[in-house]
Amino acid sequence: DAKTTQPNSMESNEEEPVHLPCNHSTISGTDYIHWYRQLPSQGPEYVIHGLTSNVNNRMASLAIAEDRKSSTLILHRATLRDAAVYYCILRADRGSTLGRLYFGRGTQLTVWP
Amino acid sequence: NAGVTQTPKFQVLKTGQSMTLQCAQDMNHEYMSWYRQDPGMGLRLIHYSVGAGITDQGEVPNGYNVSRSTTEDFPLRLLSAAPSQTSVYFCASSPQGAQTYGYTFGSGTRLTVV
Repeated sequence: DAKTTQPNSMESNEEEPVHLPCNHSTISGTDYIHWYRQLPSQGPEYVIHGLTSNVNNRMASLAIAEDRKSSTLILHRATLRDAAVYYCILRADRGSTLGRLYFGRGTQLTVWP
Repeated sequence: NAGVTQTPKFQVLKTGQSMTLQCAQDMNHEYMSWYRQDPGMGLRLIHYSVGAGITDQGEVPNGYNVSRSTTEDFPLRLLSAAPSQTSVYFCASSPQGAQTYGYTFGSGTRLTVV
C-alpha cells in the first residue's frame, strides 16, 4: 500500500494561510492524491484531490510537486472552523487496492483566534 | 438526498453478543467501505465493496462480516462482540473511479462492548 507522511501537528492564526505538507515518495502513476479532514466527533470530509496538476476548489488548493512525490494542501485564510485532523491519502484508480482509502494519523491543525 | 445514513448512532453490547451495523446511501455509488477508528488513531479499513455482490477484506477484517445485495445497503455484522471491538465505526461511499469526487462518510456508530 502506498504510504504518506505528514507532520503530526501544525498551528496557525486565524485568517492566515496554512500550508499542510504531505510526502508520498512511493506513489504510483495511477494513484490520485486525496485530502480529507475530520472535525471533532464527526466523520471525515472530502476536501480536494488531484493527479498531476494543481487544483483549486471552494475549500482549498492542492499543489502537487512535479515528480508527484509530495503535495501541499493550502487553506488560503484559516478560520476557527478549519481546526481538524487533515489526512493525505493516495487512492488507486486500478489494481489490487482499487477504491480503497488507507488513512494514516494525519496532521492535527490548531487555529488560534 | 440523505447521503450516507448509519444506524444506530450509539450501541452497547455485551461480550459474545452479535449485531448488525446498518449503512445506506442514496447516491447510487458503486463503492462502499467500513472503517473503524480507535481513540487518537486514524481510520482503519475493515471491509469494502466495489459493487453489488462484490466484497473484499481490508486491513482489519477479523470478527466482522459484510454482504452487498443491493447498491444502496452495506451492513456490517459483528459475529461475537469482543471488548477489542469497542470503537467508532464509519461507513463511506463513493462513485467509481479515483478521478471523481471522494468518499462521502456517514456520521458514525459509537460501539461499546462490555
